[in-house]
Amino acid sequence: DQQVKQNSPSLSVQEGRISILNCDYTNSMFDYFLWYKKYPAEGPTFLISISSIKDKNEDGRFTVFLNKSAKHLSLHIVPSQPGDSAVYFCAASAFSGFQKLVFGTGTRLLVSP
Amino acid sequence: DVKVTQSSRYLVKRTGEKVFLECVQDMDHENMFWYRQDPGLGLRLIYFSYDVKMKEKGDIPEGYSVSREKKERFSLILESASTNQTSMYLCASTLTGGNQPQHFGDGTRLSIL
Repeated sequence: DQQVKQNSPSLSVQEGRISILNCDYTNSMFDYFLWYKKYPAEGPTFLISISSIKDKNEDGRFTVFLNKSAKHLSLHIVPSQPGDSAVYFCAASAFSGFQKLVFGTGTRLLVSP
Repeated sequence: DVKVTQSSRYLVKRTGEKVFLECVQDMDHENMFWYRQDPGLGLRLIYFSYDVKMKEKGDIPEGYSVSREKKERFSLILESASTNQTSMYLCASTLTGGNQPQHFGDGTRLSIL
């Protein structure tokens, strides 16, 4: 039972355009959501997060949107850069004193010059 | 910056061997985690620990055990390695309380022949 789903295994975008990565979840108890970026042969790097009390969080070129009624979150990267090419994982947790995360399967983003 | 160090980047072992994967973090985090990452499956939680000598099973604990004798160190043990345990293994740590992201090591790519 996949509680966190990333239905697009890959996404190709041109440099300078917007990248939109999507994530759906099924567990209504999730209250904290994160995005991680992963380059080959490296561990995932934390990118941005959002609490369920918000519907938007922004950090530079990265913005995460949360739609609780639709159980959907998205990551917007504007403008996209070739260095953004990586696998992006969304993750979610139901607060339990520490973050036990449930990860999606990842979306591979390719930003071409 | 948080530093999570995994002892080996690449490891090749034979079926039936007992395999130890070591992870050390330098930020006094209470919580540590072991995941495996497989193509199309994302990151799946094997075991986690919220305190010294404490451990909890994750989603796929079969064939694995863990040890946490010191706060900074969390070991994953493959009791009798099998070929289906060939994977990328990732260690992470985080603080207790509030919304804290997990910080990952660079991973160990383990091949069981």
